[in-house]
Amino acid sequence: DIQMTQSPSSLSASVGDRVTITCRASQSISSYINWYQQKPGKAPKLLIYAASSLQSGVPSRFSGSGSGTDFTLTISSLQPEDFATYYCQQSYSTRWTFGLGTKVEIK
Amino acid sequence: QVQLVESGGGVVQPGRSLRLSCAAAGFTLSSYGMHWVRQAPGTGLEWMAFISDDGSKKDYADSVKGRFTISRDNSKNTLYLQMNSLRAEDTAVYYCAKEGGIAVVGTRYYYYYMDVWGKGTTVTVSS
Repeated sequence: DIQMTQSPSSLSASVGDRVTITCRASQSISSYINWYQQKPGKAPKLLIYAASSLQSGVPSRFSGSGSGTDFTLTISSLQPEDFATYYCQQSYSTRWTFGLGTKVEIK
Repeated sequence: QVQLVESGGGVVQPGRSLRLSCAAAGFTLSSYGMHWVRQAPGTGLEWMAFISDDGSKKDYADSVKGRFTISRDNSKNTLYLQMNSLRAEDTAVYYCAKEGGIAVVGTRYYYYYMDVWGKGTTVTVSS
């Protein structure tokens, strides 16, 4: 199975900060990567699909980039509602896999 | 309103079975592939299983292959997960998710993702 390594596992940031989360795949996955946001006690929510396409209704401060094995999720200006855990997920192989998550906490 | 509602969770003893259901509303289930994803307490998301729109293709994570079976009844707009030989490590919140897709420009391939999720149902395996 394809392993997805996310970093950092957690970070502390302030409102207004630019935040970058990275995800590395164990093999090339082209642009077959998606990003999700999950808040405590809630279901995950799709933010970015196909590496860089913004899901409908998601604020434009979220963006994704990368191709091959290295990918990033960027929040351009962190808002109070963005404190959550973020997961990358590959859909290149038939068996999908997630990264372990990055918890974004208030500084 | 597009939504998924899971049910069937509960407390079950190790070695026993449980069947989860996922009822779809606001869209035609038969047009989409579907997934099950679980989350053990305090941990991350784990993809479990996939079934194609017509049920002809299925795949499973190694951790559940041979014990869990994904199925669907498109006439009832419902997805299922039959879980047998349950273990303590199967304790988790189980989510069903609808697969969305967009064509890769210039190819016959699609980018797939999970764009609609249920709220989850909790399974606790304990004696």
